[in-house]
Amino acid sequence: KQEVTQIPAALSVPEGENLVLNCSFTDSAIYNLQWFRQDPGKGLTSLLLIQSSQREQTSGRLNASLDKSSGRSTLYIAASQPGDSATYLCAVPSGGSYIPTFGRGTSLIVHP
Amino acid sequence: SQTIHQWPATLVQPVGSPLSLECTVEGTSNPNLYWYRQAAGRGLQLLFYSVGIGQISSEVPQNLSASRPQDRQFILSSKKLLLSDSGFYLCAWRAGTLGYTFGSGTRLTVV
Repeated sequence: KQEVTQIPAALSVPEGENLVLNCSFTDSAIYNLQWFRQDPGKGLTSLLLIQSSQREQTSGRLNASLDKSSGRSTLYIAASQPGDSATYLCAVPSGGSYIPTFGRGTSLIVHP
Repeated sequence: SQTIHQWPATLVQPVGSPLSLECTVEGTSNPNLYWYRQAAGRGLQLLFYSVGIGQISSEVPQNLSASRPQDRQFILSSKKLLLSDSGFYLCAWRAGTLGYTFGSGTRLTVV
């Protein structure tokens, strides 16, 4: 059974810092890995999708890397801003049913 | 373009009352559809998923049921709500090898 762990669980930083959010998974037989952002009381917004054959994806100040063999993905946020404050979740679909397993998320607060 | 609609946004229901939450998808055909629940301070829990009309798989035994009467419609129901059914319910869809897209969610409070 796939298990997904996100570290750290919470992060509070001043504006402008470069951040690293980690996602690890136990079963490397994955189809892809997707990073989401969730604002309080809202649904999940997709940030980046990395296919299993890819090593990284970039969107603006966000960069996600994937190392399937070691079961890890990292989300880099450059020059953090208060608007980046949210919970970040990673999802890993695996197995024949393609059902994603979600991590518990990293709660990020960026102070002005 | 593909969009997902989920309603209502907020719902307060008494214990023992019925429930019906609806989710519809536009701009795609034969999507895989999912219902998740997110309880306070907890992760996302998969409740049901469907790969086609009338095909429902249940992940967790509970007081809820799901139906898919049309290709792009997914309904979450309960005959009698419990206090423990309170939470944030999210609908999602996936097409092919693309990622998942989530609705805006329904905040359900059972009182």
